[in-house]
Amino acid sequence: GENVEQHPSTLSVQEGDSAVIKCTYSDSASNYFPWYKQELGKRPQLIIDIRSNVGEKKDQRIAVTLNKTAKHFSLHITETQPEDSAVYFCAASINSGYALNFGKGTSLLVTP
Amino acid sequence: GAVVSQHPSWVICKSGTSVKIECRSLDFQATTMFWYRQFPKQSLMLMATSNEGSKATYEQGVEKDKFLINHASLTLSTLTVTSAHPEDSSFYICTGGGAGGETQYFGPGTRLLVL
Repeated sequence: GENVEQHPSTLSVQEGDSAVIKCTYSDSASNYFPWYKQELGKRPQLIIDIRSNVGEKKDQRIAVTLNKTAKHFSLHITETQPEDSAVYFCAASINSGYALNFGKGTSLLVTP
Repeated sequence: GAVVSQHPSWVICKSGTSVKIECRSLDFQATTMFWYRQFPKQSLMLMATSNEGSKATYEQGVEKDKFLINHASLTLSTLTVTSAHPEDSSFYICTGGGAGGETQYFGPGTRLLVL
């Protein structure tokens, strides 16, 4: 089955700096790669996703890159703000309608 | 976007009792829904795939006789934790949608505490 590895497990940055979280996956059949933000006690919220036919996608301060050959994808957050502090999960799946395989999560702390 | 609701949002029960969690798709029909479990400070782990009108598919290590899933309609899937024990205390989340390339939506989750 699919195995998703996520690094780092914790990340602390100063407000205004950039944050990068990296994930690798094992199943070459995976074509859908969403990123979720989870605040304490709440459900995961989709913040951005990318499909295998695209190498990069950007939405304001958030961007995701995908390298299918190397089987890795990354989340980039620019100009971080304290409200970006949360746990971020990457996931991989065959498609958006299929079960998601999650990474172990990255706890991001943005200090003022 | 699509909306998934869950009920109850939290439940406390005694060891040995059964707890039923409902997951509803409010504005779309879900032939498939997924149930995940999240222990404190851990990731989400897929428990089972709930299929409308047929048996659920369970992930390895998940006891199908303990975690009963029923998906009798296109808008409702239920997860029953039978004879709950303290180690079943967790955050249970369902998801639905995603068909046709659309985004999959998470329910708000149910926090279960077994005493």
